[in-house]
Amino acid sequence: GAGVSQTPSNKVTEKGKYVELRCDPISGHTALYWYRQSLGQGPEFLIYFQGTGAADDSGLPNDRFFAVRPEGSVSTLKIQRTERGDSAVYLCASSFGQEETQYFGPGTRLLVL
Amino acid sequence: AQSVTQLGSHVSVSEGALVLLRCNYSSSVPPYLFWYVQYPNQGLQLLLKYTSAATLVKGINGFEAEFKKSETSFHLTKPSAHMSDAAEYFCAVSDRVAGSYQLTFGKGTKLSVIP
Repeated sequence: GAGVSQTPSNKVTEKGKYVELRCDPISGHTALYWYRQSLGQGPEFLIYFQGTGAADDSGLPNDRFFAVRPEGSVSTLKIQRTERGDSAVYLCASSFGQEETQYFGPGTRLLVL
Repeated sequence: AQSVTQLGSHVSVSEGALVLLRCNYSSSVPPYLFWYVQYPNQGLQLLLKYTSAATLVKGINGFEAEFKKSETSFHLTKPSAHMSDAAEYFCAVSDRVAGSYQLTFGKGTKLSVIP
């Protein structure tokens, strides 16, 4: 079956611009996570959705970052007024219900010039 | 707060040799522990996980890991390295917080396999 998909695979933008990153989880997975992986580091948690609601957004670094999941499936991570320090790979993962295993997408590589 | 320490950012082994990648964790509650592998320009793939059942866990591609509570360790091993094992490996810990299994990752260990 289809895994987690993320679009675009690569995004280049200029400092100050707005970007949206999309995640399409595995069908039927109610839990969705976003992580950010900076160069040479492990992924860091950003936000967790259970269904449509953001159950834990404690990892979002500041108020320029926002994520939505309006229908409990596809999620969009939104970054306003991008900064060079936002350059990283943004990973999305999903899991079924309360299962502990997360399945990761290929990531979106964001470069802010 | 949870944390994960992976000793050695880069490990090189000869093809056919033992692979040992080290992971130590800290957690205030009994943890769930995971090893993920990441190939270049790809996402993370689950190798194996420990969820409080058997302490010796077998995963895909011949890898296994042993949970040792007294040492707070979860080292990853494979008896004989293959060229296709060259990748970056991440150890992660999770405890269930408000229904979330958010993962805390180590910094990763890049494995090189020398022919």
